Amino acid sequence: GAVVSQHPSRVICKSGTSVKIECRSLDFQATTMFWYRQFPKQSLMLMATSNEGSKATYEQGVEKDKFLINHASLTLSTLTVTSAHPEDSSFYICSARGDPGKKGGYGYTFGSGTRLTVV
Amino acid sequence: SQQGEEDPQALSIQEGENATMNCSYKTSINNLQWYRQNSGRGLVHLILIRSNEREKHSGRLRVTLDTSKKSSSLLITASRAADTASYFCATDTGFHTGANSKLTFGKGITLSVRP
Repeated sequence: GAVVSQHPSRVICKSGTSVKIECRSLDFQATTMFWYRQFPKQSLMLMATSNEGSKATYEQGVEKDKFLINHASLTLSTLTVTSAHPEDSSFYICSARGDPGKKGGYGYTFGSGTRLTVV
Repeated sequence: SQQGEEDPQALSIQEGENATMNCSYKTSINNLQWYRQNSGRGLVHLILIRSNEREKHSGRLRVTLDTSKKSSSLLITASRAADTASYFCATDTGFHTGANSKLTFGKGITLSVRP
């Protein structure tokens, strides 16, 4: 089936630094990618939706300048947490969706997540 | 904002028993999906049921959908210790080929299956 690779799986960074998380669709073209945030024992909250070649659409309450999303190609989207603070520590998960009728199709395929710890 | 609300929030059963999890949602949907998440891991898609379907099976999984009540249930039969995980329902409000579709997740249910 369709595979989405997310890296890194874990990252620890110092407060004030920036961290980049990558999400790649390995065997299909992801026209749309989604970024979620999940706090311990809680649900996934959608942060933003990105379509290849266009600006991301952020959900209400998500700071665009803090969480930079780039979807430069049909197989790669990146989330950069800028000037990270301890409250940004969380589990970030990406999801990719391709074109209906093609591999990856309409379904949502999730990455394995990135555990970010800001110290 | 969250769309789905699952209940119970936590469920503990003995291996071999059936596990039933419920999900309610608020708005009209195109389809509803159930996912599984092992601790600290990504999500695994279990099953999708479209708004015009009432019941669907996949192996030991059975999902029902009642659009009049805006609710769904996931039944796992003959549970195994390996089924221990968190389970989420997610609603997709977009059209099948629409670019605006996205998943909205419920709070999740923690299932523990005792060996």
